[in-house]
Amino acid sequence: DAGVTQSPTHLIKTRGQQVTLRCSPKSGHDTVSWYQQALGQGPQFIFQYYEEEERQRGNFPDRFSGHQFPNYSSELNVNALLLGDSALYLCASAPVQGLSYEQYFGPGTRLTVT
Amino acid sequence: AQRVTQPEKLLSVFKGAPVELKCNYSYSGSPELFWYVQYSRQRLQLLLRHISRESIKGFTADLNKGETSFHLKKPFAQEEDSAMYYCALLNNAGNMLTFGGGTRLMVKP
Repeated sequence: DAGVTQSPTHLIKTRGQQVTLRCSPKSGHDTVSWYQQALGQGPQFIFQYYEEEERQRGNFPDRFSGHQFPNYSSELNVNALLLGDSALYLCASAPVQGLSYEQYFGPGTRLTVT
Repeated sequence: AQRVTQPEKLLSVFKGAPVELKCNYSYSGSPELFWYVQYSRQRLQLLLRHISRESIKGFTADLNKGETSFHLKKPFAQEEDSAMYYCALLNNAGNMLTFGGGTRLMVKP
């Protein structure tokens, strides 16, 4: 089991563009959460998906949206990119939603907005 | 609103010295707290959780509800403990994890 995988590893976009990041959860996991980690800061919760629905959302604007597919993989979409969106985007998966199971993190996607 | 504060960005100690990484939280519900660690070139991973009350790699953390703290301690630091440490709080619904800003621990030989 490769654990949580994310693609791409790195991405460079221009301000105003749109980006899609992808995540495959660990085998047996059905809950996916997304985090933004700016340089020198801790991860900030964006949202969590379970049963293909957004179950909880952090303090992020509507420019950030997501999707979960029937195979539990997930996408994070960011529209109208701002320079401040430059960060490491982490995906984490867990086996059951709503319980305090350990979240397993992926390696992240480094997004640079120029 | 839930908040986690780690007051130290960097903590530098010598090998064999005691270590205490501070974490304070703010949460109106019943808190469930974790410590995550990120070693160089590795992904973020769970170190320990307060409900299990176990010691991992010699680290322990006690939840102090009166002081709203969850400090991470180790009596004798090792060089391999050098890493980024993040304190995190899980909401009661179990679907949102709030992280602190992290503390970089450097253990010098």
